[in-house]
Amino acid sequence: DSGVTQTPKHLITATGQRVTLRCSPRSGDLSVYWYQQSLDQGLQFLIQYYNGEERAKGNILERFSAQQFPDLHSELNLSSLELGDSALYFCASSEDGNEQFFGPGTRLTVL
Amino acid sequence: SQQGEEDPQALSIQEGENATMNCSYKTSINNLQWYRQNSGRGLVHLILIRSNEREKHSGRLRVTLDTSKKSSSLLITASRAADTASYFCATVPNSGNTPLVFGKGTRLSVIA
Repeated sequence: DSGVTQTPKHLITATGQRVTLRCSPRSGDLSVYWYQQSLDQGLQFLIQYYNGEERAKGNILERFSAQQFPDLHSELNLSSLELGDSALYFCASSEDGNEQFFGPGTRLTVL
Repeated sequence: SQQGEEDPQALSIQEGENATMNCSYKTSINNLQWYRQNSGRGLVHLILIRSNEREKHSGRLRVTLDTSKKSSSLLITASRAADTASYFCATVPNSGNTPLVFGKGTRLSVIA
């Protein structure tokens, strides 16, 4: 158990819909990272927050947004969903920006 | 786009044999890390090697880093069926704003 929790575990929705994925980092970790893992694209970095502020941005679509709250949990919002957004979404947290601890992931299926 | 490229894409060995996976990357790095992922689950950090280090050990794991060739290898000795998983290398680039750049992974199958 990494200490990082993600909810929900599975999400099935339709194209055009909006969903919110939630992540609670390990106790004390200020950095939260979001990744998307699909079969054809591998593991893609989306965005990083550090203590509530956006720190780094990767291949995140404009339809996606994230935030980190004062209690350090983070949410990833995916809107106008497309079939191609079906993937595993991972959250990770880190104390020092090096070793990252990954949550169990949310499997999103867009029908 | 991916910075790291693992080789081979898939590897199948017998229990007790050694498994070697390679990773090549493109830009200068601060450190390189190896992660393991069991099917459909979260990644687990295995080992970190800094750019000024050449070799590192952790239990049955041995990692080497050659910054002149921009490559790393992960050796798992005396493999076990429980080592079956995908293994990813990830680099922390010296420049740019991407914290960790992952390769596509090597899928290791250890047959009992």
